[in-house]
Amino acid sequence: SQQGEEDPQALSIQEGENATMNCSYKTSINNLQWYRQNSGRGLVHLILIRSNEREKHSGRLRVTLDTSKKSSSLLITASRAADTASYFCATFGGGSNYKLTFGKGTLLTVNP
Amino acid sequence: NAGVTQTPKFQVLKTGQSMTLQCAQDMNHEYMSWYRQDPGMGLRLIHYSVGAGITDQGEVPNGYNVSRSTTEDFPLRLLSAAPSQTSVYFCASSTQGQGETQYFGPGTRLLVL
Repeated sequence: SQQGEEDPQALSIQEGENATMNCSYKTSINNLQWYRQNSGRGLVHLILIRSNEREKHSGRLRVTLDTSKKSSSLLITASRAADTASYFCATFGGGSNYKLTFGKGTLLTVNP
Repeated sequence: NAGVTQTPKFQVLKTGQSMTLQCAQDMNHEYMSWYRQDPGMGLRLIHYSVGAGITDQGEVPNGYNVSRSTTEDFPLRLLSAAPSQTSVYFCASSTQGQGETQYFGPGTRLLVL
């Protein structure tokens, strides 16, 4: 299985601090996607990073991908209470494995 | 542009009952899919469709049927509900497939007694 596994499972920080979440996977991938899910809501796409990319930014979000270590990280800078949510990584298989596999997520709590 | 819509938001069924979860998108996406989300399990793919008239099984298809008669709609049918199907169900769509950005609906919370 090349399911992404997020680490930590839960993270609690204060407003204004940075939050870093990690995702590890087992086999080669075509791309890796990060999603956010607010409590009781659907998932919202954040960033897609392809296997030939090392870093992408979107506003306060920074995603890195290290294919040699089979890992990715999501950094949220200057966090806000509204960033409180679960964050999921999803790996899309390389080669003929056209599957998108979600991890179990990291629950981020940002305290005011 | 409503995006991906799902109905109902919440449903209670008795074991053995059947029902259809509705999903519609107005983005002209070819690819649509159904996931279930259970505590500690992440999202698991039930069925997917790459276009009208074409469907295929995902990771956990047993007990569910789908059809895709139009580009816009992708209903999920529970044939004979079981307590193990208690879950939150999400429909998603994308332009071409799983390798692209997925747009998710708000979900349907299903309780099977």
